[in-house]
Amino acid sequence: GQQLNQSPQSMFIQEGEDVSMNCTSSSIFNTWLWYKQEPGEGPVLLIALYKAGELTSNGRLTAQFGITRKDSFLNISASIPSDVGIYFCAGQETSYDKVIFGPGTSLSVIP
Amino acid sequence: SAVISQKPSRDICQRGTSLTIQCQVDSQVTMMFWYRQQPGQSLTLIATANQGSEATYESGFVIDKFPISRPNLTFSTLTVSNMSPEDSSIYLCSAGLRGAEQYFGPGTRLTVT
Repeated sequence: GQQLNQSPQSMFIQEGEDVSMNCTSSSIFNTWLWYKQEPGEGPVLLIALYKAGELTSNGRLTAQFGITRKDSFLNISASIPSDVGIYFCAGQETSYDKVIFGPGTSLSVIP
Repeated sequence: SAVISQKPSRDICQRGTSLTIQCQVDSQVTMMFWYRQQPGQSLTLIATANQGSEATYESGFVIDKFPISRPNLTFSTLTVSNMSPEDSSIYLCSAGLRGAEQYFGPGTRLTVT
């Protein structure tokens, strides 16, 4: 079945640094979603992207829908300790398909 | 967005028993979803629950093992039947709102002994 790949698998960064992570698929998606999950909680929707090339921000977070429609990127600027968690990308090929989740990128922020 | 609550938040159950997990949404939604998540892993869709119709199960999940109810537009239950230790996992429900956007509950952490 369809799978998403996320890189890096994990990141250890200093507080204040910027973070970049990406998500790729082998087929074209018409929707990309980014979620954050903290320990003991359910995933929280951060950003939803619906158009190729779209760039959307949510505070210090910025996500882009890749122009090939096979990838998406998430950037976090000036990281803080509360950014710690697992970031999942998710995508949907068409509105009739289920949403597929990537394996996640684990982010650790060193104060 | 939507606020999703789940009960119980966690449970420890004996092999062979069943557990019903409840999911409540603070607004009416057409589509609700049930996922399983092993610790440190991604989310795996169990089934889609639409009000007024039978749930649609993903490959590897069957109704006899995971019966789902969807009595109205704000509520759903998932039962994990005849549990074994392999069923130990986090079970998450979500509500589908705009487009592909889903909003998740806090999860139910199940341990089967």
